[in-house]
Amino acid sequence: GAVVSQHPSWVICKSGTSVKIECRSLDFQATTMFWYRQFPKQSLMLMATSNEGSKATYEQGVEKDKFLINHASLTLSTLTVTSAHPEDSSFYICSAHLNRGPNQPQHFGDGTRLSIL
Amino acid sequence: AQKITQTQPGMFVQEKEAVTLDCTYDTSDQSYGLFWYKQPSSGEMIFLIYQGSYDEQNATEGRYSLNFQKARKSANLVISASQLGDSAMYFCAMRSNNAGNMLTFGGGTRLMVKP
Repeated sequence: GAVVSQHPSWVICKSGTSVKIECRSLDFQATTMFWYRQFPKQSLMLMATSNEGSKATYEQGVEKDKFLINHASLTLSTLTVTSAHPEDSSFYICSAHLNRGPNQPQHFGDGTRLSIL
Repeated sequence: AQKITQTQPGMFVQEKEAVTLDCTYDTSDQSYGLFWYKQPSSGEMIFLIYQGSYDEQNATEGRYSLNFQKARKSANLVISASQLGDSAMYFCAMRSNNAGNMLTFGGGTRLMVKP
């Protein structure tokens, strides 16, 4: 069964709206979660590393004020796309690591398709 | 810095045949892990197989096996007895044990299985 839950799976909204995406680890605690963005027919691009109880670490070129990340508990990280515009339309996907050793994979949520009109 | 290269943007394979998806990597780290993920058109990322840099044997998981050639820095995925449901994007990824749990992904290969 799924170990990471991501909601919503699909969002369509007007330009200027802020959109919040949730990523939950199920039945395990995740001190670190990752947020990726994926454009059509491209690979996953790491946007930021979400750290429980501290500030997120953003990758170069990712606007902190545009993509707000909050990791307030050991099982929940949220990504808020603030004042979204059509160029923010993309597939956003989160992942978490079970922290049971280096050979354990990251587990991914099912992703969120964001369409800004 | 780590880099993953998948040189095959698209591949066709006949149903029931085997197929190899290429992956080469570049890292200066001695300890690292290599992963393959499958991404169907629905978008979810499905973990397939893992190979550690110190593992002496090639990893296998059912119809999936990993042809790990450390000296060549390659970690090719072999899918045996292809099925129509194998049609998807496949991503090779690497995690350096010096960089926490962060994954670096290759560009992906789209596999299409022909009936």
